[in-house]
Amino acid sequence: AQSVTQLDSQVPVFEEAPVELRCNYSSSVSVYLFWYVQYPNQGLQLLLKYLSGSTLVKGINGFEAEFNKSQTSFHLRKPSVHISDTAEYFCAVSPPYNQGGKLIFGQGTELSVKP
Amino acid sequence: GAGVSQSPRYKVAKRGQDVALRCDPISGHVSLFWYQQALGQGPEFLTYFQNEAQLDKSGLPSDRFFAERPEGSVSTLKIQRTQQEDSAVYLCASSLEGGFMNTEAFFGQGTRLTVV
Repeated sequence: AQSVTQLDSQVPVFEEAPVELRCNYSSSVSVYLFWYVQYPNQGLQLLLKYLSGSTLVKGINGFEAEFNKSQTSFHLRKPSVHISDTAEYFCAVSPPYNQGGKLIFGQGTELSVKP
Repeated sequence: GAGVSQSPRYKVAKRGQDVALRCDPISGHVSLFWYQQALGQGPEFLTYFQNEAQLDKSGLPSDRFFAERPEGSVSTLKIQRTQQEDSAVYLCASSLEGGFMNTEAFFGQGTRLTVV
């Protein structure tokens, strides 16, 4: 079975500062990894995903994440955040052998960007 | 439509009442997913359709939950004899084909169900 742990429930940060949102997963098999963002009163939006290949994945809005197999981590980073990045961020995993509909989400990290 | 549309946006139900939640996927999207998001938690998988076929319903928490997509487009999630623990936001997503790793899935804004 797979599981996802987002190590921080809330991350406050000042505008233009760098940020890292941490995600660790547990799985006995290879997995696909995802980061989603949920703005207030909006649906989840895909930021980026790792399926295979380069361990550094670039996504939308200047976000990137690095897959670290030995540490079973997939941390999300942005070098300089904006007020508009304030949102809830979810890390998710999917085992490659399932039919593709089941994502296992972490509990979320609330990013709060202050001026 | 422009995106995934869910209705109603908010639903208050008395304990024991039956409810039906509707999802209109993006036109032409083959795959449709339902997730349940309790307050302060991440979404949890309920069920997955490809066209009208329900390929995975392993996440439905009890036999009070039933989902259908009879014509391979609109889907309805029905909850019978609602209980307080059913209070959550119910999210629907659709994608052009396959699962989340194949093509991007787009989520609706969700239906917030409150059982009183």
